Amino acid sequence: GQQVMQIPQYQHVQEGEDFTTYCNSSTTLSNIQWYKQRPGGHPVFLIQLVKSGEVKKQKRLTFQFGEAKKNSSLHITATQTTDVGTYFCAGSPGGGSNYKLTFGKGTLLTVNP
Amino acid sequence: ETGVTQSPTHLIKTRGQQVTLRCSSQSGHNTVSWYQQALGQGPQFIFQYYREEENGRGNFPPRFSGLQFPNYSSELNVNALELDDSALYLCASNLGGTYGYTFGSGTRLTVV
Repeated sequence: GQQVMQIPQYQHVQEGEDFTTYCNSSTTLSNIQWYKQRPGGHPVFLIQLVKSGEVKKQKRLTFQFGEAKKNSSLHITATQTTDVGTYFCAGSPGGGSNYKLTFGKGTLLTVNP
Repeated sequence: ETGVTQSPTHLIKTRGQQVTLRCSSQSGHNTVSWYQQALGQGPQFIFQYYREEENGRGNFPPRFSGLQFPNYSSELNVNALELDDSALYLCASNLGGTYGYTFGSGTRLTVV
């Protein structure tokens, strides 16, 4: 079945440093979604990417979808303490199974003030 | 902020018992999915309901079942609880298709 891998598993940065998490799927995806989960919280939807090579920005966050639609990345510029949490990518295989999101294990980001 | 509410927030059950978890989806969201999230893991898809019918299922045994009601509420039932069923159970709804999901705060189930 479809597998989604995320690296790194953990990332600790100093406030102001940049952060990147990478997501790789074993199969081609129809779309990929990114979620943030604060400690003790629930996943919160950040963005969805659909097109090959797509790049989207949300303030300090930049999301990319690979040309082959099998990988994606999230880059945060100048991290802040409010960025702390686990970032998950979740891929959808498309077609009749478009509803089925497969989540990666996430990257836990901690920020030292 | 979230339009999805889940109850109860915490639950302790004994192995072999049955449990029902409840979710009230965001108004207008006719699709609801349930996920299981073990500690330190990403959410795992259990099943999805669309207009009160199950239209997709992950790799979970039949003792995991669900219902969706016309008023945007839904249930997750788990029979014959096992210790490995201990996890955070998340309900998520969306407008259908490939829209992003709105997650509830979850129910933390502990099986002893």
